[in-house]
Amino acid sequence: NAGVTQTPKFRILKIGQSMTLQCTQDMNHNYMYWYRQDPGMGLKLIYYSVGAGITDKGEVPNGYNVSRSTTEDFPLRLELAAPSQTSVYFCASSYWDRGGTDTQYFGPGTRLTVL
Amino acid sequence: EDKVVQSPLSLVVHEGDTVTLNCSYEVTNFRSLLWYKQEKKAPTFLFMLTSSGIEKKSGRLSSILDKKELFSILNITATQTGDSAIYLCAVSSYNTDKLIFGTGTRLQVFP
Repeated sequence: NAGVTQTPKFRILKIGQSMTLQCTQDMNHNYMYWYRQDPGMGLKLIYYSVGAGITDKGEVPNGYNVSRSTTEDFPLRLELAAPSQTSVYFCASSYWDRGGTDTQYFGPGTRLTVL
Repeated sequence: EDKVVQSPLSLVVHEGDTVTLNCSYEVTNFRSLLWYKQEKKAPTFLFMLTSSGIEKKSGRLSSILDKKELFSILNITATQTGDSAIYLCAVSSYNTDKLIFGTGTRLQVFP
């Protein structure tokens, strides 16, 4: 299993540009998450999904959109990039039910700079 | 509001020292507490704790949960430079599908 993969690893955007961060997992996990981590700060949840076709907002959803058309993929869309969105973005997945584990497995991250 | 607080925020030690990292939480309908290690990349899973008083061990790392006092500790004995990382604590509850993360403890181990 490749686990959780993210692309690209690095990206520089100009203010106002758009881009999509890709995330794929091959563990058949039902839950997927997008976090951002600013320098010296903890992880903040942007959006998450409990299954294909279902998404919900996290702590900091403004400026982002997501979709979950398949179990494997959970792309994150930035429509109008702003300097405040400069951060490292992590995708994670887990299998979650009342008898299962909360362990989240993380992708390698995407470092995004908006200039 | 659910929250997770880690202390200290930063810790600098020499190789061979023993360190204790703290995580306290306030969460409704607690389910589990997780520890992650984050080096210059993505967090990697260390432990998941659900029951009070049962120590989990992995090599020089160990962790225990106190559900009465609402905290957990992560111990690292005989620290090595490779232990330098940010250690993240996260808590889940039965009320939500999400993990609540603390801001982490940055550990630096010098030779």
